[in-house]
Amino acid sequence: LAKTTQPISMDSYEGQEVNITCSHNNIATNDYITWYQQFPSQGPRFIIQGYKTKVTNEVASLFIPADRKSSTLSLPRVSLSDTAVYYCLVDPYQAGTALIFGKGTTLSVSS
Amino acid sequence: DAGVIQSPRHEVTEMGQEVTLRCKPISGHDYLFWYRQTMMRGLELLIYFNNNVPIDDSGMPEDRFSAKMPNASFSTLKIQPSEPRDSAVYFCASSLGRTSGGDTQYFGPGTRLTVL
Repeated sequence: LAKTTQPISMDSYEGQEVNITCSHNNIATNDYITWYQQFPSQGPRFIIQGYKTKVTNEVASLFIPADRKSSTLSLPRVSLSDTAVYYCLVDPYQAGTALIFGKGTTLSVSS
Repeated sequence: DAGVIQSPRHEVTEMGQEVTLRCKPISGHDYLFWYRQTMMRGLELLIYFNNNVPIDDSGMPEDRFSAKMPNASFSTLKIQPSEPRDSAVYFCASSLGRTSGGDTQYFGPGTRLTVL
């Protein structure tokens, strides 16, 4: 299974763009990259998923370079409510496997 | 849809007692996952089911833990006997199909277990 590495914590201010980079050097050809968000006292919530290049939805953008050995979650103009833990996961394509969550990145947004 | 439902939301018990956690997945989802979260170890996958059949239980810490899924709408995670180190938040999640390619996991609110 591909292991992911991401910063333990990040700090930001309201209105700024936040970029969280995750490395996954041994990602397999068919694996997807998925990001989840977790607020205190809640279960993780899906944010975005991608395979290559760029994916954008109403919440975030995901940038994946050609070699796919890393990915960057971009949160535009964060607010206090974006304070949460963000998990980067490599979703293995093989049948019989499941998502493995690491420690995630704790994002703290201040006013 | 009501989402993934877990009960109880909070459980306080004494060491040695049996604990049963319950989960109702989203209707129509083929996969069900049980996770445990602690500050020290983060979010750990315990076991997951596909169409009510356990696929991978390698994350179950020891024989004191057992999980069942008697039908598509119900699963239980049992700890017998419970120990203080089992104190954690236990999450249940479900997904429509294989998680790759867009079938995301939907998590329940969790059960906070405290073993005294």
